[in-house]
Amino acid sequence: DAGVIQSPRHEVTEMGQEVTLRCKPISGHDYLFWYRQTMMRGLELLIYFNNNVPIDDSGMPEDRFSAKMPNASFSTLKIQPSEPRDSAVYFCASNSQGTNQPQHFGDGTRLSIL
Amino acid sequence: QKEVEQNSGPLSVPEGAIASLNCTYSDRGSQSFFWYRQYSGKSPELIMFIYSNGDKEDGRFTAQLNKASQYVSLLIRDSQPSDSATYLCAVNGAMNRDDKIIFGKGTRLHILP
Repeated sequence: DAGVIQSPRHEVTEMGQEVTLRCKPISGHDYLFWYRQTMMRGLELLIYFNNNVPIDDSGMPEDRFSAKMPNASFSTLKIQPSEPRDSAVYFCASNSQGTNQPQHFGDGTRLSIL
Repeated sequence: QKEVEQNSGPLSVPEGAIASLNCTYSDRGSQSFFWYRQYSGKSPELIMFIYSNGDKEDGRFTAQLNKASQYVSLLIRDSQPSDSATYLCAVNGAMNRDDKIIFGKGTRLHILP
């Protein structure tokens, strides 16, 4: 079975540019989670969706970040404009039962903002 | 502010010995507890989860939960070099399905051959 699929795997862009990260959850999973991981702050939950509806976006750092889930098999995390402090690894995860159950993580997107 | 604390390590353990990883949490109402393993440059993968006080064993891994003292531990028996990784503790305070999950910053484990 295919796992959580993220693209791109690596992204290098200049400050001020728009960045779009993509995620395809495991088929049948109705929860999707976006995380950011840095050395300083560890793994932080940014936002999560249930049945394509955002449930909790309190972890989104600021208005430059936005996330959408137009259908059950696709989600995007967008940063506009990007800043060097956004450099991190961004993970997408999914499961079928919510935050109190184990999650399956994608391989992540390593983002570098120059 | 809910917190999950782990010693960052590195924790060095000889091959074949027992590795003991600890995690404390601040929210007394927490209900779900997870241990994830993360190899360098890779994504987290689930090792164990536990919901009830006491021990839960799965192969060489044992999770221990003590809600009164607000800590959860992971024991790895017969440690192997392949166990060298960062171990993330995650805690969820859900009384229902939708509550925020908090990850600790992880403990780096190094198994000495």
